[in-house]
Amino acid sequence: GAGVSQSPSNKVTEKGKDVELRCDPISGHTALYWYRQSLGQGLEFLIYFQGNSAPDKSGLPSDRFSAERTGGSVSTLTIQRTQQEDSAVYLCASSPGYGYTFGSGTRLTVV
Amino acid sequence: GENVEQHPSTLSVQEGDSAVIKCTYSDSASNYFPWYKQELGKGPQLIIDIRSNVGEKKDQRIAVTLNKTAKHFSLHITETQPEDSAVYFCAASILNTDKLIFGTGTRLQVFP
Repeated sequence: GAGVSQSPSNKVTEKGKDVELRCDPISGHTALYWYRQSLGQGLEFLIYFQGNSAPDKSGLPSDRFSAERTGGSVSTLTIQRTQQEDSAVYLCASSPGYGYTFGSGTRLTVV
Repeated sequence: GENVEQHPSTLSVQEGDSAVIKCTYSDSASNYFPWYKQELGKGPQLIIDIRSNVGEKKDQRIAVTLNKTAKHFSLHITETQPEDSAVYFCAASILNTDKLIFGTGTRLQVFP
């Protein structure tokens, strides 16, 4: 596709359940980023993949959060044992080396 | 670590007036400064960016200025229209990487 695709667009889950969020970046973009945006707040960096380098995980808020990027393309962000404070919009972006293109995000609600 | 401050948090203007949003950054090694517009229910979209080797860049009704000495940059929107209403984010790159640190956003409302 022409843009960054994220799925699902909305996810409601019960507290304690695990969730997986998917990101399909723009083909050929070497860098992929995950950000979190809480209601009315700014963009909080979570994790960054660049080519074959080890990912920069410095923004992950706890060990319940993990992400992988398979084959240098699709990425999955996994949140284990979800908590209510995990409720937010999770945004993925890809970049060819400068300038991000964001997806529309996954709105996660933990009830 | 790198920090980006953005002001104001909200801005209301009359259609046709100008709007200015300001950001400051802390890392003198930052060399890339994009601005994003986020409409309700959508991801942020890049609207203009500037690199550290220039002081100003303009694209139709929007312009960005950069003062590297003072470590601040600004977004200027002229002849505002209701469709300019959105949340605007500034960002600065970190230490010669593509990683961006974002400001906290400015909610711009343009009243007809």
